Amino acid sequence: SYEVTQPPSVSVSPGQTATITCSGDNLGRKYVSWYQQKSGQSPVLVIYQDGKRPSGIPERFSGFNAGHAATLTISGTQAMDEAVYYCLAWDSNTYIFGPGTEVTVL
Amino acid sequence: QVQLQESGPGLVKPAQTLSVTCTVSGGSISSGTSYWSWIRQPAGKGLEWIGHIYTGGSTNFDPSLKNRVTMSVDTSKNQFSLTLTSVTAADTAVYYCARDQMGRDCTGNNCYTNWYFDLWGRGTLVTVSS
Repeated sequence: SYEVTQPPSVSVSPGQTATITCSGDNLGRKYVSWYQQKSGQSPVLVIYQDGKRPSGIPERFSGFNAGHAATLTISGTQAMDEAVYYCLAWDSNTYIFGPGTEVTVL
Repeated sequence: QVQLQESGPGLVKPAQTLSVTCTVSGGSISSGTSYWSWIRQPAGKGLEWIGHIYTGGSTNFDPSLKNRVTMSVDTSKNQFSLTLTSVTAADTAVYYCARDQMGRDCTGNNCYTNWYFDLWGRGTLVTVSS
């Protein structure tokens, strides 16, 4: 079965750029979405179709997918962006979540 | 706007059956793609897709759970449900319902579909314990 991996954690200073990677075999041939989950809350879609932002999601969130990895970039990271971020891929009629990356804003 | 609300028993004994229901409000369950998913999350762990149901009744499940999972939909009540049999402590989790959304990526004459979750419920905690 298909699997994707993510680093367990990423630390970033306020105002700097955080980059979260989601890796999988030929992941660039699939479409990836990204979800933000703050402590005690439900996940929220922040990126779909590799790089599209839903309405209401700040422009500082962007995504890209090519080769064997997808990336979620948070530019000008704010304290409110501290959360766990999950990537999601669709393969063979099943959804596959990454294990999640905890973003800490120091 | 459309909202999702899960409801469940809270506590289920080992070896018994877990049942949770998702109520769709603010819109018809048959609108949009009409696909609806269940996702779970054990405490302190990641998200796991369980499966989804189409309002016409067809289903698709994650291979690791398909032998214990059934899903149903009641369009008259704007609800869909998950049933998980022979539960163990490993099934203790927050159970979320979510709306499947389809995107289309077109370049020239080629269009490709992709799927993601654009709306989630707040989740319901189900604990398996005697």
